Amino acid sequence: GENVGLHLPTLSVQEGDNSIINCAYSNSASDYFIWYKQESGKGPQFIIDIRSNMDKRQGQRVTVLLNKTVKHLSLQIAATQPGDSAVYFCAENRYGGSQGNLIFGKGTKLSVKP
Amino acid sequence: KAGVTQTPRYLIKTRGQQVTLSCSPISGHRSVSWYQQTPGQGLQFLFEYFSETQRNKGNFPGRFSGRQFSNSRSEMNVSTLELGDSALYLCASSIGLAGFQETQYFGPGTRLLVL
Repeated sequence: GENVGLHLPTLSVQEGDNSIINCAYSNSASDYFIWYKQESGKGPQFIIDIRSNMDKRQGQRVTVLLNKTVKHLSLQIAATQPGDSAVYFCAENRYGGSQGNLIFGKGTKLSVKP
Repeated sequence: KAGVTQTPRYLIKTRGQQVTLSCSPISGHRSVSWYQQTPGQGLQFLFEYFSETQRNKGNFPGRFSGRQFSNSRSEMNVSTLELGDSALYLCASSIGLAGFQETQYFGPGTRLLVL
């Protein structure tokens, strides 16, 4: 079935480096994407979102890129810090569908080495 | 504003029992969604409630049910518990504008262990 998936299950980076977490989706009807961060023992925390009419959106130290041609989404974290260590999920939602129905990828575990 | 709250945070049940989990959304949010998170299946959508009505439902058996109250608080119930129901159950809330994708904010979850 169509779902959101991730290229890598784990990512290890050095503190201060930039991190890039990737996500692929297969449904061209998907038009809203969200990145969540989940720390151990906690619920997913909203990081940033992007709609399909955009190809880039920036937040504080984070940038999300959307390439609709190849159905690819990425999250870039600048100057990665130990507090960024967590599992990162991308999620998709489709216009016309219920906004309650987010489809999540499997997640990428980011480990930041001091 | 207070975030999404879920109670209880941890629960241990035995097979065959039933369980009720509670979720209080962010003030002003009228949509509440429930998700199940397991290591094997990841995050999976259970159902969504808006204005006391189930607006969308995932692919889970009928043992999983929910409801929403007039104050937007929501409960989910799992009857005849199975070992495979052990999971983190997450609740998320959003404003609930129809036909418009919104950010969903998650609670800390209820960790259910079925023995």
